[in-house]
Amino acid sequence: GENVEQHPSTLSVQEGDSAVIKCTYSDSASNYFPWYKQELGKRPQLIIDIRSNVGEKKDQRIAVTLNKTAKHFSLHITETQPEDSAVYFCAALPSGGYNKLIFGAGTRLAVHP
Amino acid sequence: SAVISQKPSRDICQRGTSLTIQCQVDSQVTMMFWYRQQPGQSLTLIATANQGSEATYESGFVIDKFPISRPNLTFSTLTVSNMSPEDSSIYLCSVVPGSQETQYFGPGTRLLVL
Repeated sequence: GENVEQHPSTLSVQEGDSAVIKCTYSDSASNYFPWYKQELGKRPQLIIDIRSNVGEKKDQRIAVTLNKTAKHFSLHITETQPEDSAVYFCAALPSGGYNKLIFGAGTRLAVHP
Repeated sequence: SAVISQKPSRDICQRGTSLTIQCQVDSQVTMMFWYRQQPGQSLTLIATANQGSEATYESGFVIDKFPISRPNLTFSTLTVSNMSPEDSSIYLCSVVPGSQETQYFGPGTRLLVL
């Protein structure tokens, strides 16, 4: 079955710097890759997603890139702000997976003023 | 998206008892799921709540421990039965509103078992 690995587990940056979180997946038939942000005590919130027919997607300071050949996808946050501090989860949806997402272990991002 | 609510938001329970968690959505949704999130951990899928039929459980989760109901397209319950301290966790429902894959989470129920 699908397996998603996420790195790093923790990331500390200065405000204004960029942050990059990387995920790899094992099932080449996976076709949908969302990213969730979870602030302390809150629900996971979808921040961006990408489908397998697209190589890159951007939404303001957030972008996601997908390399299907290498089976990895990355979240890029530019001009980080303290409110970006949270745990970020990547996920993959295997083809024919009945919408059952497979989640990475999470990355705790700390943005220091 | 969809507006999702869960009840209770948190509870403290004694071991050996059971707790039923409710998930309500403001619109009919295609799919509903139940997850567990242990402290500092990722999201683990417990089961898919199927409307009008028995839930589909993931490996390691069984119906006797986590019975699930889904009587209609907007509501589901998860019961945590015969609780032990190891069941202390956050329980989240999630929904897929339409034909696409986008999945949204409820606010979660924080459970502490003493």
